[in-house]
Amino acid sequence: DTAVSQTPKYLVTQMGNDKSIKCEQNLGHDTMYWYKQDSKKFLKIMFSYNNKELIINETVPNRFSPKSPDKAHLNLHINSLELGDSAVYFCASSRGSIPYEQYFGPGTRLTVT
Amino acid sequence: GIQVEQSPPDLILQEGANSTLRCNFSDSVNNLQWFHQNPWGQLINLFYIPSGTKQNGRLSATTVATERYSLLYISSSQTTDSGVYFCAVIKAAGNKLTFGGGTRVLVKP
Repeated sequence: DTAVSQTPKYLVTQMGNDKSIKCEQNLGHDTMYWYKQDSKKFLKIMFSYNNKELIINETVPNRFSPKSPDKAHLNLHINSLELGDSAVYFCASSRGSIPYEQYFGPGTRLTVT
Repeated sequence: GIQVEQSPPDLILQEGANSTLRCNFSDSVNNLQWFHQNPWGQLINLFYIPSGTKQNGRLSATTVATERYSLLYISSSQTTDSGVYFCAVIKAAGNKLTFGGGTRVLVKP
């Protein structure tokens, strides 16, 4: 009965590879997000989708591409991985796009070697 | 963009002690959340509190929106309270949740 789930939990890969992180929510929420937490624990939003439509796209390299096949899923694909992409990536969801409470997944720790 | 500042940055407590964490923000908000990131990295929702006061067990929070701050109170702290506490806000008429830098709490037995 996990509310927001992510796979994989850990991802270790080499520079230059392409990888994907998957996120699913079973809360019936309309809006999903991707956040990045850096080594200093600072959390910042990357993308947001509302009913499969992109509504937030922060200044993220275009090597990062979110895809939302339906409103319960939001995947993150990363091309040509770089050392600086190493971080913890969190998926989140909320009932609506603006003032509603956001619920976070367990995070995916990405390590690029 | 909106600025979110949390204080203190680090806090060491003896088990059983009480503490207050503060979150200041630079603009009007329509969403304010407190999270606890436990030592395993999970982000746990504590409070959704754009205004007013809420309590949940040993934790309580107060947001004074007109003065642009929120407080998180931890009473009778336990070792399981250790971790990082984040405040996050959405600016009024905005759509992005902006996090503060966090308060790292260590509760010693």
